[in-house]
Amino acid sequence: NAGVTQTPKFQVLKTGQSMTLQCAQDMNHNSMYWYRQDPGMGLRLIYYSASEGTTDKGEVPNGYNVSRLNKREFSLRLESAAPSQTSVYFCASSEASADTQYFGPGTRLTVL
Amino acid sequence: KQEVTQIPAALSVPEGENLVLNCSFTDSAIYNLQWFRQDPGKGLTSLLLIQSSQREQTSGRLNASLDKSSGRSTLYIAASQPGDSATYLCAVSNFGNEKLTFGTGTRLTIIP
Repeated sequence: NAGVTQTPKFQVLKTGQSMTLQCAQDMNHNSMYWYRQDPGMGLRLIYYSASEGTTDKGEVPNGYNVSRLNKREFSLRLESAAPSQTSVYFCASSEASADTQYFGPGTRLTVL
Repeated sequence: KQEVTQIPAALSVPEGENLVLNCSFTDSAIYNLQWFRQDPGKGLTSLLLIQSSQREQTSGRLNASLDKSSGRSTLYIAASQPGDSATYLCAVSNFGNEKLTFGTGTRLTIIP
């Protein structure tokens, strides 16, 4: 039982490049989330998916897109990376909205 | 808009002491409140979840209390150990908007 897994663990991009962050959970959870964590800012919600087939914007969605591929997988895409997107990205899941959230280990992204 | 504050940002305590971490929130119409710990370079681990109808929750040496009317929660750690050193974050969800709003955390260091 791996919980929530994220790939890659580290990534360096140049401004304008694109990439997709992958997240998968094996707990049969309905809800999944993408956060970014920046020093002094705490965790901020980028997008979330309350259930398979639905996605909604969080607090800071600009510059990102998401896909809820199936119940297990929720990906985050940066179409044209900017230095302001340098951050640590966390994926999380919960059985339902507002339930206990389980977090992945994070992806540390640097945009040069 | 819900705002969550955790003061102090950092705390150092000798091993064996009992301690209290604080969390305050501006909108008392919360659905639940969660406490997490985060070790350096890692994801978040859920510690306790308190529903809005509850006053406190306990898990081992941890006890979390909730006072909605004053917009406050505390996390009490008994008989602190070096392994308790981590950043502790609280997060709240509100009725009608069950996404979590996080505080910026308190970095706790237990001195052997």
